Amino acid sequence: GNSVTQMEGPVTLSEEAFLTINCTYTATGYPSLFWYVQYPGEGLQLLLKATKADDKGSNKGFEATYRKETTSFHLEKGSVQVSDSAVYFCALSDKGSARQLTFGSGTQLTVLP
Amino acid sequence: SAVISQKPSRDICQRGTSLTIQCQVDSQVTMMFWYRQQPGQSLTLIATANQGSEATYESGFVIDKFPISRPNLTFSTLTVSNMSPEDSSIYLCSVLMGQGTDTQYFGPGTRLTVL
Repeated sequence: GNSVTQMEGPVTLSEEAFLTINCTYTATGYPSLFWYVQYPGEGLQLLLKATKADDKGSNKGFEATYRKETTSFHLEKGSVQVSDSAVYFCALSDKGSARQLTFGSGTQLTVLP
Repeated sequence: SAVISQKPSRDICQRGTSLTIQCQVDSQVTMMFWYRQQPGQSLTLIATANQGSEATYESGFVIDKFPISRPNLTFSTLTVSNMSPEDSSIYLCSVLMGQGTDTQYFGPGTRLTVL
């Protein structure tokens, strides 16, 4: 079945540091890949997505590239801010009729001023 | 995307009681889902809410415990029945906007505490 393995947290960085959160996946076929963010006390917000190999999703300074050869979708940001403190979830959708999402375990990011 | 609301936003309930959570979308959607997020955990799919027919449940979730309704294309309810403290979680609904998309949008969640 499908699975998503995400970098263990929590991650603590200083403001303006470089961020990488690793995500690898196992799936049959060619899934769509997503990063969602959950700010404290809120629901999930879509951060970015990629639907095919070599696609790069980007939003709010965050980027992730769909790497089929390494089955990875690592999240990066060049300079984090305190407001980026949240839990980040990597997820995949198998594009089948069910179009269900499989989530990684989530990574708690804390950015210190 | 769509505007998705959930009611209640949070509740504290007694063991053995039931709570119904509502999910309302401001436009018609093709698919609706219900997820559970236990404290400090990731999201687990409970079921797909099917319009006009019985929901499709994932392994480990049953209709008697989590009855779901979806009377139209913009509204669904999830009931958590005969609650125990282990049911304390955030419950989220999500939607797919069209036939050709696989991007799910989530509601704000309902934070449930069972005493």
